[in-house]
Amino acid sequence: QVQLVQSGAEVKKPGASVQVSCKTSGYTFNGYYIYWVRQAPGQGLEWMGWINPNSGGTNYAQKFQGRVTMTRDTSISTAYMGLSRLRSDDTAVYYCARISGYNSFDYWGQGTLVTVSS
Amino acid sequence: QSALTQPRSVSGSPGQSVTISCTGTDSDVVIYTYVSWYQQYPGKAPKVMIFDVTKRPSGVPDRFSGSKSGNTASLTISGLQAEDEADYYCCSYTGRYTDVAFGGGTKLTVL
Repeated sequence: QVQLVQSGAEVKKPGASVQVSCKTSGYTFNGYYIYWVRQAPGQGLEWMGWINPNSGGTNYAQKFQGRVTMTRDTSISTAYMGLSRLRSDDTAVYYCARISGYNSFDYWGQGTLVTVSS
Repeated sequence: QSALTQPRSVSGSPGQSVTISCTGTDSDVVIYTYVSWYQQYPGKAPKVMIFDVTKRPSGVPDRFSGSKSGNTASLTISGLQAEDEADYYCCSYTGRYTDVAFGGGTKLTVL
């Protein structure tokens, strides 16, 4: 069965960087884009960007350009999301999700809580 | 501020029907048939309930249905059940290099 399993919770200080991993299984990794979506406490879903696992091509939401880097390792079917220069308002649960077609996020990781606090 | 506008909350009694709206613009909801809806319980990842405006994934009850008119997409839940109480988010393809936009979310309360 399709699974996306994310790395564990992180606590970071302002100005630091974080990397969240998303290990996939149960399907052809190269066949589906991986999106990253975050959710601040008590807030809604926010699209951050995507990576094409086949080519490594990426597209980032304007809000995060310059601070976010999405990569993948096809040998272990894993996608990564790195966010630098962390601020307190980056405290959120970060999700990876597989997209099917143009608009259906059909499988999601369990989420990774990143807490930014001094 | 979300690109798509949803009511913050809706409510209904068991057995009733509720509709959640999602209002977009000429850049998304109006011109694309790529609107999806997600159900999210507290502390859990979202789950897709509707995609491509009206399609239901396997396993989603047929009590859930989607539609679109002009710049507004809608999710209708008929025969409300207690387990439907959750947050619901709409999402639309925006066409800008495969960007997507989410609505702000609607909290559904089953009275």
